[in-house]
Amino acid sequence: GNSVTQMEGPVTLSEEAFLTINCTYTATGYPSLFWYVQYPGEGLQLLLKATKADDKGSNKGFEATYRKETTSFHLEKGSVQVSDSAVYFCALSLDSSYKLIFGSGTRLLVRP
Amino acid sequence: DAGITQSPRHKVTETGTPVTLRCHQTENHRYMYWYRQDPGHGLRLIHYSYGVKDTDKGEVSDGYSVSRSKTEDFLLTLESATSSQTSVYFCAIGGGADSSTDTQYFGPGTRLTVL
Repeated sequence: GNSVTQMEGPVTLSEEAFLTINCTYTATGYPSLFWYVQYPGEGLQLLLKATKADDKGSNKGFEATYRKETTSFHLEKGSVQVSDSAVYFCALSLDSSYKLIFGSGTRLLVRP
Repeated sequence: DAGITQSPRHKVTETGTPVTLRCHQTENHRYMYWYRQDPGHGLRLIHYSYGVKDTDKGEVSDGYSVSRSKTEDFLLTLESATSSQTSVYFCAIGGGADSSTDTQYFGPGTRLTVL
């Protein structure tokens, strides 16, 4: 079946550290891939997306590249800030109904 | 931000009682979705709608029903609430008529506790 696997958290970093959150997927077909972010007490917001192999999504200093050969979509940021503390969800969408299949989420805590 | 509201935002109810959650959008998006969020599971799709009166089941639909009589409103009903349905419920919309067709926009969530 179709699924998304994320690294377990929490991930704790100091401010200005480099961030990587791993995401791999299993899918029949060619999915679109997404990263959503959830700040405390809020709903999810789209962070970035990529719709085909080798596409790079980027937003707010975050980047992720759609790697078909490794079925991965790892999230990276060169220098995290305290305000980046949140839960990050990797997700895929496969069909014309745009239903999302989510990973279990990774909590990021950035310390000053 | 997409105009999506959910009501109520918090609800405590007792086992066996019916509960209806409402999602309202002002964006005229074709698709609407209900997800539940539980620790260790991320978000899981309960039901979705692809138009007025057109709905389909998601991954965890047992014990839930939905209705969409207007483009703007998507209702989620728990016919007889159980403690396993204690969760945070998120509504989302998608299928907008622009370049972000495949992007979903989420409401603020409803925290439901079933005692």
